Amino acid sequence: QQQVKQSPQSLIVQKGGISIINCAYENTAFDYFPWYQQFPGKGPALLIAIRPDVSEKKEGRFTISFNKSAKQFSLHIMDSQPGDSATYFCAASMQGAQKLVFGQGTRLTINP
Amino acid sequence: GAVVSQHPSRVICKSGTSVKIECRSLDFQATTMFWYRQFPKQSLMLMATSNEGSKATYEQGVEKDKFLINHASLTLSTLTVTSAHPEDSSFYICSAPRLAGTYNEQFFGPGTRLTVL
Repeated sequence: QQQVKQSPQSLIVQKGGISIINCAYENTAFDYFPWYQQFPGKGPALLIAIRPDVSEKKEGRFTISFNKSAKQFSLHIMDSQPGDSATYFCAASMQGAQKLVFGQGTRLTINP
Repeated sequence: GAVVSQHPSRVICKSGTSVKIECRSLDFQATTMFWYRQFPKQSLMLMATSNEGSKATYEQGVEKDKFLINHASLTLSTLTVTSAHPEDSSFYICSAPRLAGTYNEQFFGPGTRLTVL
C-alpha cells in the first residue's frame, strides 16, 4: 500500500514532442506528489509538485495532471528538448510527513 | 530552492577501510536528513533517517553497524561506511526536508560515488 508504481520504465521521444510519464498509488493518505529530475551522476532535483486540491499544475513546459479518484498522476513535458533527457522519479508523501515514497523511475531520451 | 551539499563527490578506497560522507544543508536547518543508496539505473533506496540529537532510524535490512550515521548539528549529517567492501560500492545521496506550509519539500545533495577496490 506504500508503493508508487511508475511507467514506462524508459521512453524515447522526438524533439518537440510531448513526453508523458505516469504514476499510480494505493495509499489514499498520500496528499503531496512531487516529481524529481535526475541527470547521470547527480542528485535528484525537485521539478514540480502537486497537492490533491487541484487537478493540474503547470510550470513552464512541465505539467502535472492529477486524478484523485483513479489515484493516478502524470508528468507531461511539452515541446521536449534534448536537455530534458534524464531520469524522472515520481514520489508521494503525506502532510507533515518527511519521508517520500518513490516510483521506480523513467529514463527519458529526447532524440534531436 | 534550498541547497544541500555532499562531500566528497567521489571516493575510491581499499577494501577494509572506512569512509565518511558529509551532508550539509547550506541555507536552512534540518533536524532530519535522509540517506539513500542508488544502484545504476535503479530508484533511490532509503537506508536511514538521520535525527539531530538522537539515534538514526534504519530501514529494514540495512546494517546499522555497517553504516554509521551521526547528525552532529542542525546542518550536518555524516554517513560512515565501516570496513567497506566492493559490494558497498554505490552512489550515496542525502536529502533534507524543508517545511513549506504544512508540507515538506525534499532537497537532495549531489551524491557521492563510492568505489571500493
